Amino acid sequence: AQKVTQAQTEISVVEKEDVTLDCVYETRDTTYYLFWYKQPPSGELVFLIRRNSFDEQNEISGRYSWNFQKSTSSFNFTITASQVVDSAVYFCALSEDSSASKIIFGSGTRLSIRP
Amino acid sequence: DAGVIQSPRHEVTEMGQEVTLRCKPISGHNSLFWYRQTMMRGLELLIYFNNNVPIDDSGMPEDRFSAKMPNASFSTLKIQPSEPRDSAVYFCASRPEPGRLYEQYFGPGTRLTVT
Repeated sequence: AQKVTQAQTEISVVEKEDVTLDCVYETRDTTYYLFWYKQPPSGELVFLIRRNSFDEQNEISGRYSWNFQKSTSSFNFTITASQVVDSAVYFCALSEDSSASKIIFGSGTRLSIRP
Repeated sequence: DAGVIQSPRHEVTEMGQEVTLRCKPISGHNSLFWYRQTMMRGLELLIYFNNNVPIDDSGMPEDRFSAKMPNASFSTLKIQPSEPRDSAVYFCASRPEPGRLYEQYFGPGTRLTVT
């Protein structure tokens, strides 16, 4: 069965600190997709990244970076030099189907950036 | 460009009443998804459509819930009769093309309160 665990329920850091959000997943498939979504206070979910199981290269996009490690079934998300606008709930998610239609979401991590 | 449009944004109703939530996907998108978000269960996929056809409704909680997509630009999620445990935020999402890997674009959600 597929499962996504985000053990950190809430994180609070001071602006400009680096912060890492953890994500551990479970799947029996060899082909799968991992996602991160952001849910700001406005409520709408915003897609951040998709990674397939065959691509373990880390990715960097501005202040955001993702570390995918199949050996530990983890897909962690790091924000460098955090800003108040990064405050949101962040969801890690997993899909086992080829078109990534059925997505299983983790419970989310609420990130608060204090000025 | 307009994103996914959901209406109403907030709905308060009494137990036993019928509730209809509406969604207009992004123009040209051929896949549509309905999700429910609660504190207890997190974000769950209820049903999704490809080209107006329901593909997987295994997430629909029970017979009180039904979803339709009469055309490419409109979908409804109906709850009849509603119960307090149906209180949640309901999200609609759309995606450009079924069978291919694209991210889902989420609407702002409808917050439903059943008293």
